[in-house]
Amino acid sequence: EAQVTQNPRYLITVTGKKLTVTCSQNMNHEYMSWYRQDPGLGLRQIYYSMNVEVTDKGDVPEGYKVSRKEKRNFPLILESPSPNQTSLYFCASSPIPRWRTQYFGPGTRLLVL
Amino acid sequence: GQQLNQSPQSMFIQEGEDVSMNCTSSSIFNTWLWYKQDPGEGPVLLIALYKAGELTSNGRLTAQFGITRKDSFLNISASIPSDVGIYFCAGHGNDMRFGAGTRLTVKP
Repeated sequence: EAQVTQNPRYLITVTGKKLTVTCSQNMNHEYMSWYRQDPGLGLRQIYYSMNVEVTDKGDVPEGYKVSRKEKRNFPLILESPSPNQTSLYFCASSPIPRWRTQYFGPGTRLLVL
Repeated sequence: GQQLNQSPQSMFIQEGEDVSMNCTSSSIFNTWLWYKQDPGEGPVLLIALYKAGELTSNGRLTAQFGITRKDSFLNISASIPSDVGIYFCAGHGNDMRFGAGTRLTVKP
């Protein structure tokens, strides 16, 4: 089954404790992206990647890191999480050239205490 | 960065009624997308629009890419209970922008 998977689905952590949210897609898509979703603000892009070893900042990259060592994986790293990073996070992927028609993962709900 | 202006924020309708929602922007977009999100799930793509003036249908859903390239609307005809959810517009110009969503409730 073609899908985007994220792990974990739910995470509670404390301020400053490094964490990684994994994202994997099995559709051989070139484009991958991370978003956060907050009430009243919709989805905001954190980082995106057009291909392996190519990453770019989105709208709200501060406090986040990403890497794209393999085509299928695009982990999101929070080196020192803070409470304002409490949010619902979505990974997405799409093929190029239709890279704007993204397929989303199920989401990761993060609470930073 | 500025997000899209999506309206209405929420709608409460009776089963069988038609629904209309729209998104506007001060920027020009090259692509408009409409997504639906169910509770606990990621957004699912409903319709993608690639050309100004384009009108596209997907079952009971119809969406249009505005001529000015600054707006788009989504219509749902003859709503059913499973249409309940949050609908998001997204536009792409230099980057991807999302609306804040329209929460749809359908009363049987």
